[in-house]
Parts: sequence; C-alpha cells; structure tokens
Amino acid sequence: IAGITQAPTSQILAAGRRMTLRCTQDMRHNAMYWYRQDLGLGLRLIHYSNTAGTTGKGEVPDGFSVSRANTDDFPLTLASAVPSQTSVYFCASSEQGAADTQYFGPGTRLTVL
Amino acid sequence: GQNIDQPTEMTATEGAIVQINCTYQTSGFNGLFWYQQHAGEAPTFLSYNVLDGLEEKGRFSSFLSRSKGYSYLLLKELQMKDSASYLCAVKDSNYQLIWGAGTKLIIKP
Repeated sequence: IAGITQAPTSQILAAGRRMTLRCTQDMRHNAMYWYRQDLGLGLRLIHYSNTAGTTGKGEVPDGFSVSRANTDDFPLTLASAVPSQTSVYFCASSEQGAADTQYFGPGTRLTVL
Repeated sequence: GQNIDQPTEMTATEGAIVQINCTYQTSGFNGLFWYQQHAGEAPTFLSYNVLDGLEEKGRFSSFLSRSKGYSYLLLKELQMKDSASYLCAVKDSNYQLIWGAGTKLIIKP
C-alpha cells in the first residue's frame, strides 16, 4: 500500500450499534487526524494524535474515541451510533503535526439510521 | 471565535482565469493552506503560504496578506478537470488547522 487507506468505504449502520472505522498509513508520519465533513460545513477535527501512544480531542469529539497503539494505525470508534453521526469521515496524516501538510485517506461514508 | 470565509460557489469558463478569495479571523496565524477536493474524493494539497506575497506553481498561484487576513487562489487557463471544491485552511496559534467550508468551482465549456 502507498499513502493512507481507510475501511470500510461506506457503511449503513443501525442507531445504537458500535462501529470502528479503520485507518492505516505507510508513510511513517508521526501525526494522524480524524475529520468529519458535512454538506455546507468545513472539515471538523474529531480527534488527533501527534505521535504513537498519545491522542487529543478536536473540535467535535463527543461520541467518538480513538487509540494510537502504533505509528501506522489510528482507528476511530463510535460506541453507540446516532443519526447525527451520519457523515463522511476522513483520516489524515502529517510528518510533524499540524505544522506540516496533511495527506488524506479516501474517506468512509457512514449512514446511521 | 475563529472563522474562515469563502464564497460558496463560483462559475467560470474553460480557458479563463478565476480568483477564489478567503478571509480569516483566527487566534494566531501559522500559515494558510489551499486544498482541492473533487466530488466524492479526498482533499489534496495545492499550496502553502506563511509569508506575505504570491506563490506560483504552474497554473495555480496563491497570495497572502497577513495584515488583511486575506488570501486568494488564482487558477489560470482553466480546464474542465479544475471543476472541484477549493478549501482554505489556516493554522492557528495551537498549530491546529481551521477549515473553511470550501468554494465549489464550476467550469463551463
């Protein structure tokens, strides 16, 4: 693989179900990010990780959790999905943190019914 | 609060020039990014400005005025493939990126 991959590409989920969105990068970037993108709104940061073993909350973290056990993987978990979490989710990475250019994965389109 | 303003939508003709403006009000400034996003795809990096002035990269140029809180992206010799959304983002004092909602650019033949 080259760059950032996300899985699944799309998902329809019943409200109340647990879901993990996967993100893997092979660029050995230190920092990784999860964004959601909704129509008419800019990208909004959910959680971030500046380096393996550390995570931080972004602008809209409620209802989401992340972990960063190693450099390459940064999964995003919805503990109990709600319809307002219907969105397109993008994972991104950068070398040194937000100071550097961020590179995005292809996105996951999630629908919560 | 922090705010990034861009026009929602613009239309231009193939072969012409278009300027997409971005104004920002953020807590601190550590650089401004422009990204391109085709429908249904991920954003891709176009340009980065941290000092005042014009940065040229092929058909695309980006300008920054920090005193005015203003940037623009200039696209020359427009091609149909330039139809996309263009996202402006500013790094604030905490080095977090604040994103505008994006400008949808429609190119007509």
